[in-house]
Amino acid sequence: SQKIEQNSEALNIQEGKTATLTCNYTNYSPAYLQWYRQDPGRGPVFLLLIRENEKEKRKERLKVTFDTTLKQSLFHITASQPADSATYLCALGGNDYKLSFGAGTTVTVRA
Amino acid sequence: KAGVTQTPRYLIKTRGQQVTLSCSPISGHRSVSWYQQTPGQGLQFLFEYFSETQRNKGNFPGRFSGRQFSNSRSEMNVSTLELGDSALYLCASSLQGWGSTDTQYFGPGTRLTVL
Repeated sequence: SQKIEQNSEALNIQEGKTATLTCNYTNYSPAYLQWYRQDPGRGPVFLLLIRENEKEKRKERLKVTFDTTLKQSLFHITASQPADSATYLCALGGNDYKLSFGAGTTVTVRA
Repeated sequence: KAGVTQTPRYLIKTRGQQVTLSCSPISGHRSVSWYQQTPGQGLQFLFEYFSETQRNKGNFPGRFSGRQFSNSRSEMNVSTLELGDSALYLCASSLQGWGSTDTQYFGPGTRLTVL
């Protein structure tokens, strides 16, 4: 069955450094992959989408890569700030009217 | 424009009771999806509705049901509540509900506690 794994439950980094999060999947061929941010007590907020035929996408300090051969996406937050502290979720989608989410990685940025 | 709204925000029920949660999508969005979020299982897809039709359903027992009205508002119902149903229930709306250009917008969720 389909499986989505995010590299670790928690990531602690120093302000100004780059945070790198991993999303691996098996038994699935997504048409696209999305990354969301979720703050405590709130719903997820969409950040970036990358399609299966794209290698890299950027938005401000965020960068996502997508390797369909490795079945992996990497999500980078450069020049991290304490305000970036949150849980980040990857989600895989196709044409089946649903998103399948990973468990999330909680990022804490220390000032 | 207003975001996705969910009511109620918090709910406490006892085992065996039933509950109905409501979701109002962003104006113009016709797709509404429901997810259950728990610490152990993460975000799990429940079902998706578009123009009052359920197009996909996750692996949940029949106690979980939903519907969508002609104005795209949606409700989900859980009957015969169990302790394990305690979770954050999230609703998301989008224009079409599929496709790489269709972003989902989540509501704040309803926190259900079953005692």
